[in-house]
Amino acid sequence: AQSVTQPDIHITVSEGASLELRCNYSYGATPYLFWYVQSPGQGLQLLLKYFSGDTLVQGIKGFEAEFKRSQSSFNLRKPSVHWSDAAEYFCAVGAGQAGTALIFGKGTTLSVSS
Amino acid sequence: GAVVSQHPSRVICKSGTSVKIECRSLDFQATTMFWYRQFPKQSLMLMATSNEGSKATYEQGVEKDKFLINHASLTLSTLTVTSAHPEDSSFYICSARGAPGGGGAGELFFGEGSRLTVL
Repeated sequence: AQSVTQPDIHITVSEGASLELRCNYSYGATPYLFWYVQSPGQGLQLLLKYFSGDTLVQGIKGFEAEFKRSQSSFNLRKPSVHWSDAAEYFCAVGAGQAGTALIFGKGTTLSVSS
Repeated sequence: GAVVSQHPSRVICKSGTSVKIECRSLDFQATTMFWYRQFPKQSLMLMATSNEGSKATYEQGVEKDKFLINHASLTLSTLTVTSAHPEDSSFYICSARGAPGGGGAGELFFGEGSRLTVL
């Protein structure tokens, strides 16, 4: 079955500390992987995506993610967290075809402490 | 970059009325649009896939007669919640995938979401 697992429901990180949000997926075909961020009451903003090529992808706002096929993982990282990064983060997986939707993980809530 | 716009962003209605939410792709042609529903502090659940010029494909458990989807053009899909009830209150998000070879080809873009509150 196709699925996305985000093991951490809620993470608190001190401002300036590093961050890693975990994402594991189960997908039958070659996966296209995404990380989105959602602020309260807002829509989704794409942080980064992986389609092919270099397994370390850079995104906006200083985020990066690494695709590890052997571990079926696509973890999101940021070296130094800012208070404005506090939000809900969703990992998603989909196929490359235009007619397929994305499957989302349950999300990880990031809180940033001062 | 490609933009998907939803309207209205917030709507409050009385129980029993119908509400229409629009999803537009502003600078690319979207052959396929998806409608998601998000309950508070939960993930996005796919409701249906909308293909231009054909009937929508609904996910299991989604009432097609309650959530009417129309994708009449390559830039517009609408979701109508018919005879809305308080349990339909939710955050509805559309996403659009560009036509292959066109602007936004293959990528998925999300609208800002529409918060429906049914009294």
